[in-house]
Parts: sequence; structure tokens; C-alpha cells
Amino acid sequence: ETGVTQTPRHLVMGMTNKKSLKCEQHLGHNAMYWYKQSAKKPLELMFVYNFKEQTENNSVPSRFSPECPNSSHLFLHLHTLQPEDSALYLCASSQDLYVNTEAFFGQGTRLTVV
Amino acid sequence: AQKITQTQPGMFVQEKEAVTLDCTYDTSDQSYGLFWYKQPSSGEMIFLIYQGSYDEQNATEGRYSLNFQKARKSANLVISASQLGDSAMYFCAMRFSYSSASKIIFGSGTRLSIRP
Repeated sequence: ETGVTQTPRHLVMGMTNKKSLKCEQHLGHNAMYWYKQSAKKPLELMFVYNFKEQTENNSVPSRFSPECPNSSHLFLHLHTLQPEDSALYLCASSQDLYVNTEAFFGQGTRLTVV
Repeated sequence: AQKITQTQPGMFVQEKEAVTLDCTYDTSDQSYGLFWYKQPSSGEMIFLIYQGSYDEQNATEGRYSLNFQKARKSANLVISASQLGDSAMYFCAMRFSYSSASKIIFGSGTRLSIRP
């Protein structure tokens, strides 16, 4: 069982659809993150949760709605997306938010908006 | 503003040779952490090595070492005796001091290709 698991691995959705991405970590970590990775762009931090509380929202459009019901699970709810939202969405977790703490990533969800 | 710069979009290296991937950063913080990640075609970001801003010795992890030059604000990754499985994207990343420690920012990456 991998440390950080993301489902689904691939998702194709229309612009009027509603879908959710799921992330689960089995590492006992307290912090979880959503990143967006677009072609030819650096990874963009979207949201950070620490002990289920959101600590960072990096000016993400409201069509992306995160949810963190507990320290082990993180969701990203998607609605009325645009084609430019097509990207690899990576979830990560870390023990805490200190500078010496590495983040562990899942394999990502490849999202295509048509 | 904090920034990570990786100036090598792509590199080709012969198998068994050593390779250095460049990374420079910009921050006014005194306390920060530097990380390198590997991203194979499968998509997962794999943590390789960490260097703290107060660490006096360069970090090493197996075939990976980090050439940390604080005054130059550089944190280059050195891979010794490269292998075919090292072909991947490599990202340099930085985490800032505690007041904004929730942020890890990444460079644009270097695509490393190992030739047999």
C-alpha cells in the first residue's frame, strides 16, 4: 500500500460536470496539499491543510473546492471547469509544516476538461 | 519574493557518468529547507534529498548529493554513476521559514535523459 494514494488516476469531464478527486495518506501525517502541474509550468500550490484546517488558499478559483474531513483524507471538488484546467493534480502530505519536513506525493490525477 | 530557478530544461548524460543539475533560489528568509524531487513518467514526485539552510555539511543520500553554496544561493543536485532508471524530470524545491512554512515552491524542472 503506497503512502499517498490518489483516485482516479485519469479523469475526463465536460465543462458542465461535477466530479471529485480523492487523496488518502497512510503515513500518519498532519498536513496535506493540492498542487496543479500544467505543461511547461512549475508546480502550483493550490491548497494546504494542517490538522484538517485550511492554512493556504493560493488564489484558486472557486470552481475548485477542497474538503479535508480528517488528517488522512483530502478531496478536491470540481465544477464548471474550463479547458485550461486540464492538468495533473498532485496531492501531497507531510508530518508538519516545519522547514525541514519533506512532502510525500501521490501519483496524481490526470484531468482533461473537454 | 521567493523563487526557484532551474536553468537546464533538458540534459543528456552517458550511463555511469556523474551529472550535476543546477538550482538557484532567492529568499530573504534565514531559515529554509531545500529539496530535490524526481518525477518519472508515471507522474509521482519522489523525494530524493534535503538540505537545511543552517546545515554546514552538504547532504548525501546514496548516489545523490547536494552541493549547497549558501552565499551563492545555489543547491545543485549531483547524481553519481548515473543509471538508465535515473531518466526523469527533476525538480528543486524550497520550503520557507515557519511563518509561511505551509508553502513549498518548485522550480520549472530539468528533464534528464540517460544514454546507454
